[in-house]
Amino acid sequence: AQTVTQSQPEMSVQEAETVTLSCTYDTSESDYYLFWYKQPPSRQMILVIRQEAYKQQNATENRFSVNFQKAAKSFSLKISDSQLGDAAMYFCAYRSANAGNNRKLIWGLGTSLAVNP
Amino acid sequence: ETGVTQTPRHLVMGMTNKKSLKCEQHLGHNAMYWYKQSAKKPLELMFVYNFKEQTENNSVPSRFSPECPNSSHLFLHLHTLQPEDSALYLCASSHRDRESYNEQFFGPGTRLTVL
Repeated sequence: AQTVTQSQPEMSVQEAETVTLSCTYDTSESDYYLFWYKQPPSRQMILVIRQEAYKQQNATENRFSVNFQKAAKSFSLKISDSQLGDAAMYFCAYRSANAGNNRKLIWGLGTSLAVNP
Repeated sequence: ETGVTQTPRHLVMGMTNKKSLKCEQHLGHNAMYWYKQSAKKPLELMFVYNFKEQTENNSVPSRFSPECPNSSHLFLHLHTLQPEDSALYLCASSHRDRESYNEQFFGPGTRLTVL
């Protein structure tokens, strides 16, 4: 069974600085998707960035980028130029590309990110 | 209203009460999900509906009863809950066939407290 591990329950960063959130996963599959979701205090979970395992190029969305290391099964999120609005819980999630698994997301426990002014 | 909405946002109920959570999506999606979010636990997928048909029930106790009358609405009927059922209940929706990665869009959640 697949698992997702986020080893940092809490992180903090100074405004305008860069922070990296860690995520590792365990799977025997070769084709899958990885996601970072953000859940701010208002609680609405939103997708930050996604990565297809078959793509070697790391995904980037504005100030958010990932470091995807397939062999190491690592999927870290880098937030550059951190803003106060980035304060939230960040969840890493995995989904098999096998349609037979009903598109079930496997979630990590989350990392709580504080942004200090 | 846009996106995924959930009502109520907060609910306090006794163990003998019957209540329902409502979720509505305005995104034209055809799959809907109920999740339970508890502190220090990964999100737990409870139910999945595709085209109004329940396709997954992750060993959820029968005191939780889902209902999906159409592809835009999803309910979670609650009865004789236990205090350990207190949690944030999240609804999500997606379009199964639109893109292979199947992005899920979430509602704001219902914070449920069982006394």
